[in-house]
Amino acid sequence: EPEVTQTPSHQVTQMGQEVILRCVPISNHLYFYWYRQILGQKVEFLVSFYNNEISEKSEIFDDQFSVERPDGSNFTLKIRSTKLEDSAMYFCASSDPGNSGANVLTFGAGSRLTVL
Amino acid sequence: GQNIDQPTEMTATEGAIVQINCTYQTSGFNGLFWYQQHAGEAPTFLSYNVLDGLEEKGRFSSFLSRSKGYSYLLLKELQMKDSASYLCAVRAPLGGGGNKLTFGTGTQLKVEL
Repeated sequence: EPEVTQTPSHQVTQMGQEVILRCVPISNHLYFYWYRQILGQKVEFLVSFYNNEISEKSEIFDDQFSVERPDGSNFTLKIRSTKLEDSAMYFCASSDPGNSGANVLTFGAGSRLTVL
Repeated sequence: GQNIDQPTEMTATEGAIVQINCTYQTSGFNGLFWYQQHAGEAPTFLSYNVLDGLEEKGRFSSFLSRSKGYSYLLLKELQMKDSASYLCAVRAPLGGGGNKLTFGTGTQLKVEL
């Protein structure tokens, strides 16, 4: 079964440092997303990406965040200067409308970011 | 805005049936999804409703009433491995046909012997 892969699985960083989280979406999917989940809280939408540009972003996704698809397979999330409150599990997801129109999101296993 | 409510936790017995309810008030609606999430893992897709009625998928069924802003997930023949958090998520359409999901806080289901 095709899957979304994410690296690293866990990253510990100092406050103020830059972090890049990497994702390889499912190869024939067209839409890519980042969601995050702070420990014990709900999954929150950050950003969606389609046709090489951001299609929508949430209030959380401020100027400290950026996304990039540097080549045909990778999709990255960069946090420029991490804050303590950025500590969370970051999930990458991808989707394709397919025939049903459900456009089901398939999530990766997540990257746990701990900011000290 | 989007507001999604579901019970925080439920307990059920192995072999039994459990119904997890979800109510929503949203500014736009383009489908409702149910995901299962085991602790420390990614959400995995269970079911999807965009029209009113019942969708059945093996031991799992999901129901939607758009006029009432209500959905439920029905799990039959419960197994211990069904102990997990069940997430209700409403989809709003994005430009270009993508998905933005707004998740509820999840219902933590504990299956006991």
